[in-house]
Amino acid sequence: DTAVSQTPKYLVTQMGNDKSIKCEQNLGHDTMYWYKQDSKKFLKIMFSYNNKELIINETVPNRFSPKSPDKAHLNLHINSLELGDSAVYFCASSQDLGFPTDTQYFGPGTRLTVL
Amino acid sequence: DQQVKQNSPSLSVQEGRISILNCDYTNSMFDYFLWYKKYPAEGPTFLISISSIKDKNEDGRFTVFLNKSAKHLSLHIVPSQPGDSAVYFCAASASGGSNYKLTFGKGTLLTVNP
Repeated sequence: DTAVSQTPKYLVTQMGNDKSIKCEQNLGHDTMYWYKQDSKKFLKIMFSYNNKELIINETVPNRFSPKSPDKAHLNLHINSLELGDSAVYFCASSQDLGFPTDTQYFGPGTRLTVL
Repeated sequence: DQQVKQNSPSLSVQEGRISILNCDYTNSMFDYFLWYKKYPAEGPTFLISISSIKDKNEDGRFTVFLNKSAKHLSLHIVPSQPGDSAVYFCAASASGGSNYKLTFGKGTLLTVNP
């Protein structure tokens, strides 16, 4: 039983396309996140949602739009893909508003390659 | 602006010996620190954490030490096992605001040789 799942695992696409990555958690958590791990290996937070409400938006370009249809799902839609969007995207969840003591559980990641 | 730094990209140790992974931070507002472990093709998994009110936290073979004055923490694994081979991320957060977020380092690849 996968706690945090992401689809697809790999995504290869052309510049300019629009793509979505889906994330689901079955842990009953209230908070979900998207992280980006770029070529320099830094894992950086992009967004967090608590009960479908946007809590953190880390100055991510407008081309990235998270959508949370319910608290178990947080999808990431990317418009007009650019070469620099190539990265591994991780979804995560935690029980509450991301208090430091709330463990974040990560999905397996989606490797996005923009050609 | 790297607020969390892991200056050793890799570390290799023999099975049974101690592994010491280091992490430095620059933001004095950070007051909670975590270590995550990541295997290839998997997401990071939480390993151990420490609050700034402590200088040591131990969980089985894993111990994290915090030196606030030096803004330095380290993860000790004793004894190291081949299954410990993974990338270890140091992360930090500041509890002063209303939105807690983790700031990660670049990770250190630990290889434990049998």
